[in-house]
Amino acid sequence: GAVVSQHPSRVICKSGTSVKIECRSLDFQATTMFWYRQFPKQSLMLMATSNEGSKATYEQGVEKDKFLINHASLTLSTLTVTSAHPEDSSFYICSARANRAHYRGYTFGSGTRLTVV
Amino acid sequence: AQKITQTQPGMFVQEKEAVTLDCTYDTSDPSYGLFWYKQPSSGEMIFLIYQGSYDQQNATEGRYSLNFQKARKSANLVISASQLGDSAMYFCAMRGGNSGGSNYKLTFGKGTLLTVNP
Repeated sequence: GAVVSQHPSRVICKSGTSVKIECRSLDFQATTMFWYRQFPKQSLMLMATSNEGSKATYEQGVEKDKFLINHASLTLSTLTVTSAHPEDSSFYICSARANRAHYRGYTFGSGTRLTVV
Repeated sequence: AQKITQTQPGMFVQEKEAVTLDCTYDTSDPSYGLFWYKQPSSGEMIFLIYQGSYDQQNATEGRYSLNFQKARKSANLVISASQLGDSAMYFCAMRGGNSGGSNYKLTFGKGTLLTVNP
């Protein structure tokens, strides 16, 4: 089945530094990647949608200069949290969809727990 | 705009009994899909079941079944013969169409925390 590898699974960084999270589709071409953020005991909130080779579309209220998304290839998308602060501490998870995908065609990564100290 | 409502923040069920998790939705898209995902404490999202808006029969996947009532806009998940390993957060989600460049994004409900008691 379709697999999305997300790394790192956990990261602790100092306030003011940047952190890059990678999502890689291992056995299919991810034409669309969705990036979500999840606070403890809350739902997944969509941050942005990216299509391969295009600029990401950000949801209202998400700072595009802070959360940089790159989807340069059909198998790799990255989310960079720039100048991270403690309030950026959260669980980040990606979901990939292939073009003309089967109706079930959303494959999630395993998530990244970011802690900013 | 799409909206998913899960009104049960938490549910308890005895092992081996059945439990129903509620989900209602709202959308203007004539074509849509409804999903249920399980999220254990590890955080991974596990796909459970899918129902398409034009599907004539209710979806079933092993111990999971989806009670789809289109006129009432509800898509409740039924878990039969609950097991201790079913304890987790459960999310209902909806996929709309691609209108306005939405890219078939998923909209999630707030989730229901299910606890299975021995």
